[in-house]
Amino acid sequence: GAVVSQHPSRVICKSGTSVKIECRSLDFQATTMFWYRQFPKQSLMLMATSNEGSKATYEQGVEKDKFLINHASLTLSTLTVTSAHPEDSSFYICSARATDGPQHFGDGTRLSIL
Amino acid sequence: QKEVEQNSGPLSVPEGAIASLNCTYSDRGSQSFFWYRQYSGKSPELIMFIYSNGDKEDGRFTAQLNKASQYVSLLIRDSQPSDSATYLCAGQSGTASKLTFGTGTRLQVTL
Repeated sequence: GAVVSQHPSRVICKSGTSVKIECRSLDFQATTMFWYRQFPKQSLMLMATSNEGSKATYEQGVEKDKFLINHASLTLSTLTVTSAHPEDSSFYICSARATDGPQHFGDGTRLSIL
Repeated sequence: QKEVEQNSGPLSVPEGAIASLNCTYSDRGSQSFFWYRQYSGKSPELIMFIYSNGDKEDGRFTAQLNKASQYVSLLIRDSQPSDSATYLCAGQSGTASKLTFGTGTRLQVTL
């Protein structure tokens, strides 16, 4: 149980492109979803927290107009990196949790901007 | 600032030995603690979580929590080469759903 699916697993695209990443909880209802970013050999950095039907709460220093988060249902959240640039290249990971449950992570999306 | 601290390692143990991974936290409001395993290039995988003082066992893994000392540990018995990974400790305050992660301890199990 507690499977979180993230798609796509890898994206390579040109600078200026917008990229959408999907995160789905397959076998439970995710009241809260989280988006993280991880640079090589560094720890996870929380970008934002989203509750179903509400606006996401962004961590300090994360541009909400750059990283658009939508959590339209209890099983789906999306992160859109708008007008991506090489410095946005990173490993993006979502996680989901049911009410009072632990966070379960998706497999991550490796984003490379050329 | 709420912090979770771990020794970055690497912690090297021989196959079959017990690996002991430690974590301290500064926020006394933290009530729940989680251990995640992360293989290189992969996303974290939940190993165990613990809410109460004492020990919690699941197969080869034992989580230990001491709230008075603000200390959490993970013991891995009969360590296998496949256990080689980075282990992330995370704390959660009862008033928030987000986790505070440590930087992780890299474990190497040698043959």
